Amino acid sequence: GAVVSQHPSRVICKSGTSVKIECRSLDFQATTMFWYRQFPKQSLMLMATSNEGSKATYEQGVEKDKFLINHASLTLSTLTVTSAHPEDSSFYICSAREPQVPKTQYFGPGTRLLVL
Amino acid sequence: GESVGLHLPTLSVQEGDNSIINCAYSNSASDYFIWYKQESGKGPQFIIDIRSNMDKRQGQRVTVLLNKTVKHLSLQIAATQPGDSAVYFCAERENDYKLSFGAGTTVTVRA
Repeated sequence: GAVVSQHPSRVICKSGTSVKIECRSLDFQATTMFWYRQFPKQSLMLMATSNEGSKATYEQGVEKDKFLINHASLTLSTLTVTSAHPEDSSFYICSAREPQVPKTQYFGPGTRLLVL
Repeated sequence: GESVGLHLPTLSVQEGDNSIINCAYSNSASDYFIWYKQESGKGPQFIIDIRSNMDKRQGQRVTVLLNKTVKHLSLQIAATQPGDSAVYFCAERENDYKLSFGAGTTVTVRA
């Protein structure tokens, strides 16, 4: 299957700082990428849909000013957690959708964020 | 609202036996389904997909069955191995809309 990379895999930061997570589709161009958050022993929660060249679409309850998403190219989307707090600690996973039918969605390896 | 769910949250299977993981979905308009495997601390890994115009699709050691009449999806794993221990998620999608995920089934393989 297609490969999606994510960087960093793990980050520890102090409360109040901002953290940027990168998501890249390595072998296909993705006009649409997704950002998810996952709590322990739970399913994936969609945070936002990232569209290349346009503003991201956020799910209900997700603060767009706190979770900044930029999809500047067909292979790169970034998620910036601004002014991070301990409650933002979580596992963040990005996903990229292939452009050709059936537009299969592939996931990155995830980023473990710990805010102290 | 409509959602994808799983019949059982956990499944314990003897190494070498076949595994069957079930998934119920409620959106009759869904036309595309995917099974993912997620190991601890990793992102979901694509296993196999199936479109609504098919009833069965086979991959390497895995088979997905789709029963649109009762809105049921299953994943069969042949000759289950220790490396198959993980959480398995089914996901559904209507047209090009976003995926809806089930709660996940934890599969544990006994040696």
